[in-house]
Amino acid sequence: GESVGLHLPTLSVQEGDNSIINCAYSNSASDYFIWYKQESGKGPQFIIDIRSNMDKRQGQRVTVLLNKTVKHLSLQIAATQPGDSAVYFCALSNDYKLSFGAGTTVTVRA
Amino acid sequence: NAGVTQTPKFRILKIGQSMTLQCTQDMNHNYMYWYRQDPGMGLKLIYYSVGAGITDKGEVPNGYNVSRSTTEDFPLRLELAAPSQTSVYFCASSLSGGHGDTQYFGPGTRLTVL
Repeated sequence: GESVGLHLPTLSVQEGDNSIINCAYSNSASDYFIWYKQESGKGPQFIIDIRSNMDKRQGQRVTVLLNKTVKHLSLQIAATQPGDSAVYFCALSNDYKLSFGAGTTVTVRA
Repeated sequence: NAGVTQTPKFRILKIGQSMTLQCTQDMNHNYMYWYRQDPGMGLKLIYYSVGAGITDKGEVPNGYNVSRSTTEDFPLRLELAAPSQTSVYFCASSLSGGHGDTQYFGPGTRLTVL
């Protein structure tokens, strides 16, 4: 099956700084990638996605970068806020089935 | 729209008991999914459905059953609960299975089997 891994299980960030969350994958055939945010006690919430024919996509305060050469995906959060504290998952889509990484817990320090 | 709703929120079962986790969506989505999330891990797909009357196994289907008699409902059945099924269960739905079609998740059911 698909293998999806994250580089760091936890990330502590000062409020106002930028956050970078990384994800590595093994299946070079993957062509659609998604980042989810999961707050405590809630289900995952879609943040942003990117297709394999792109290397960068921007949303509101978030940017996803895709490097297919090294099979690496990252999520950048600009000006991190306390509400950004959550677990972040990258997921790969194989047909319509998602394979999730283990998640990075982001803690924002005031 | 309520989105994806799940009941119950919490449940404790004894080994060997059975139960059904309920999932309902009001977005008229064709695709529905059940995932489990173990502590510190990502979500793993248990079963999915591409429409009423059609279900298929995901990555970890053993010990579970599903049915999809209507577009809205996708219950997950545990017949003989085992401690290994202690987990948080999430139901999700999407309009279609195409890329770019977001999966929307319910709030989850936390199940403990003792």
